[in-house]
Amino acid sequence: AQKVTQAQTEISVVEKEDVTLDCVYETRDTTYYLFWYKQPPSGELVFLIRRNSFDEQNEISGRYSWNFQKSTSSFNFTITASQVVDSAVYFCALSEPPGNQFYFGTGTSLTVIP
Amino acid sequence: EPEVTQTPSHQVTQMGQEVILRCVPISNHLYFYWYRQILGQKVEFLVSFYNNEISEKSEIFDDQFSVERPDGSNFTLKIRSTKLEDSAMYFCASSPELISTNEKLFFGSGTQLSVL
Repeated sequence: AQKVTQAQTEISVVEKEDVTLDCVYETRDTTYYLFWYKQPPSGELVFLIRRNSFDEQNEISGRYSWNFQKSTSSFNFTITASQVVDSAVYFCALSEPPGNQFYFGTGTSLTVIP
Repeated sequence: EPEVTQTPSHQVTQMGQEVILRCVPISNHLYFYWYRQILGQKVEFLVSFYNNEISEKSEIFDDQFSVERPDGSNFTLKIRSTKLEDSAMYFCASSPELISTNEKLFFGSGTQLSVL
């Protein structure tokens, strides 16, 4: 079974639209760690956010916000007023203690059209 | 900001040949990892390394793979006899502490391996 599911394979939005990328995870551990990484066309993996299972506070960072809901095992990512530079593949990932291994989702390819 | 450095950025090899992918993790980091991403697919864990030994490995990391920290700065992944299905982007990563201590993985830019 997949530990991290990103059901949206590709999304296209017009610049300035808001977009939400979904992430659903599965784990039996009570303590776990969730991440979002961005992979721009250049290929590197850029860290966006980390959230621990015991911290359900949602977070906002500029145009980015994250909604962590343990009740639905989801960790969704919203980009407000999208820009062309947001075009990338976005990966959600789960790690379980002690944290040696990340389980990545299959990624969502976001295209922002000018 | 310190970076994880990987060389080469692209490597082409013939099937059956040995290949070594090189990484220089961030200097004060203690935990090292290799991940791979087959074209268009998700990023997959290969191996984690701490204190000069493998701490965890996946099913992908079979006897054809090995890792080494030959000196105080480099971290290498060796594939002994490459197969076509080894073609992928290989990412090196490091972290200063275990992820459970509120850290993150710092990834390199990757080495694109093409096996012909």
